[in-house]
Amino acid sequence: DAGITQSPRHKVTETGTPVTLRCHQTENHRYMYWYRQDPGHGLRLIHYSYGVKDTDKGEVSDGYSVSRSKTEDFLLTLESATSSQTSVYFCAITPAGGTYEQYFGPGTRLTVT
Amino acid sequence: SQQGEEDPQALSIQEGENATMNCSYKTSINNLQWYRQNSGRGLVHLILIRSNEREKHSGRLRVTLDTSKKSSSLLITASRAADTASYFCATVPGGSYIPTFGRGTSLIVHP
Repeated sequence: DAGITQSPRHKVTETGTPVTLRCHQTENHRYMYWYRQDPGHGLRLIHYSYGVKDTDKGEVSDGYSVSRSKTEDFLLTLESATSSQTSVYFCAITPAGGTYEQYFGPGTRLTVT
Repeated sequence: SQQGEEDPQALSIQEGENATMNCSYKTSINNLQWYRQNSGRGLVHLILIRSNEREKHSGRLRVTLDTSKKSSSLLITASRAADTASYFCATVPGGSYIPTFGRGTSLIVHP
C-alpha cells in the first residue's frame, strides 16, 4: 500500500462547515495527489503537490485548498463544505523512477448533509 | 476531462472465461496504465505499457497498445471470482507526469 494512510476514513459533516482531510506517507515521495471519485465520473484530480510548499490545481479544484508543510503530509481542506462535495476522496503518490504510476491510499468517504 | 475511456462500462462473465476491456484516448501519450479497484478500496496499479511498446504481460494479464488507433486493451485470462472489480485505464500525456483516469469497466466474474 506504499505506506499511505488517510484520515479520517469516514466523516459526516454539515453544509457550510470547514473540513480537512489528511494524507500521510512514510516513504518520502515527492509527488502527492488528491482525487475525488464519484459514480459516472471516475477519478478526478483536485490538487497535486510536487514538493514541500509546491502545489497546483487539478481539474476540479474549486472549493478546495491544499497545504504541504512537510514531505509526509498533504492536507485537503474544504473551506465551506457543500452537498456537491459528498464523495470518496483518495490520496495518491508517485514514486521516483520516471514512469509515473500511482499508488493510492484507502480513501475517505465524506458525506455533507 | 477524461483522457481515456473504457469500454464496455460493465462486463459479466463466468469463472474460467477470458475478460477483455478496451481503452481509447485522444492525445499522444508517454505511457498507459491499468488499475484495479475492489469495492470500497483504493486503486491498485496493475501494469504499465510505454508508448514504444506494443504488448506486455504480467501473470494472467496481457495489455496491448496501438498508438496509431490510440487504443489499448486489457485481457485477463482464465478469470476468477476474485477478479471481480472495476478496472481503469490511465494515460500519461507526453510532456506530463500526471495520469488521467477513465471512468472504468466494472467486471463481475460469476463462480
